[in-house]
Amino acid sequence: NAGVTQTPKFQVLKTGQSMTLQCAQDMNHEYMSWYRQDPGMGLRLIHYSVGAGITDQGEVPNGYNVSRSTTEDFPLRLLSAAPSQTSVYFCASSYLRSQETQYFGPGTRLLVL
Amino acid sequence: GENVEQHPSTLSVQEGDSAVIKCTYSDSASNYFPWYKQELGKRPQLIIDIRSNVGEKKDQRIAVTLNKTAKHFSLHITETQPEDSAVYFCAALPSGAGSYQLTFGKGTKLSVIP
Repeated sequence: NAGVTQTPKFQVLKTGQSMTLQCAQDMNHEYMSWYRQDPGMGLRLIHYSVGAGITDQGEVPNGYNVSRSTTEDFPLRLLSAAPSQTSVYFCASSYLRSQETQYFGPGTRLLVL
Repeated sequence: GENVEQHPSTLSVQEGDSAVIKCTYSDSASNYFPWYKQELGKRPQLIIDIRSNVGEKKDQRIAVTLNKTAKHFSLHITETQPEDSAVYFCAALPSGAGSYQLTFGKGTKLSVIP
């Protein structure tokens, strides 16, 4: 199986543009999440989902929307990109049982000009 | 919510020496502590984890210790090799229903000098 996949790998946006970062997993994981990684800031949780139709906010949700229509897919939407959203974005997934390993996707590098 | 502090932020060691990275957490309800390794340009990958009912866990050259009373846990790498050079993240997960959000430390950049 492919594990956790993300597209695109790299994207350049202009301020105010919108885009969707795609994330998919084929491990039948109930839990999926989005993190952003900035230098010196570690990994910060943006949004997460515990199953289809259920989403919730993490530590830094402003400027981002998510939806979970299927178990496999968890897209992250930027409605109006800002330079402060320049970052590397990682999607991760795991089983919903307590204390299960989270598997990360390869990441999307986003530059907002 | 949980807060995880990680030290040091950078660490340089000679090849063959040991490296120790320390993390403290604030939520006494946390009971799962994974460590992730991230090589340059790659995704974070789990290298070892420990649960609160265990004080120490080893996997070849890597070990993790947990002190629940003091609320800190550490990663120990012995006989370091150049391929150990990476950024290491600690994380904590609280117990309880609905607790699935990992809180990460800010990372430690480890450089192993040949």
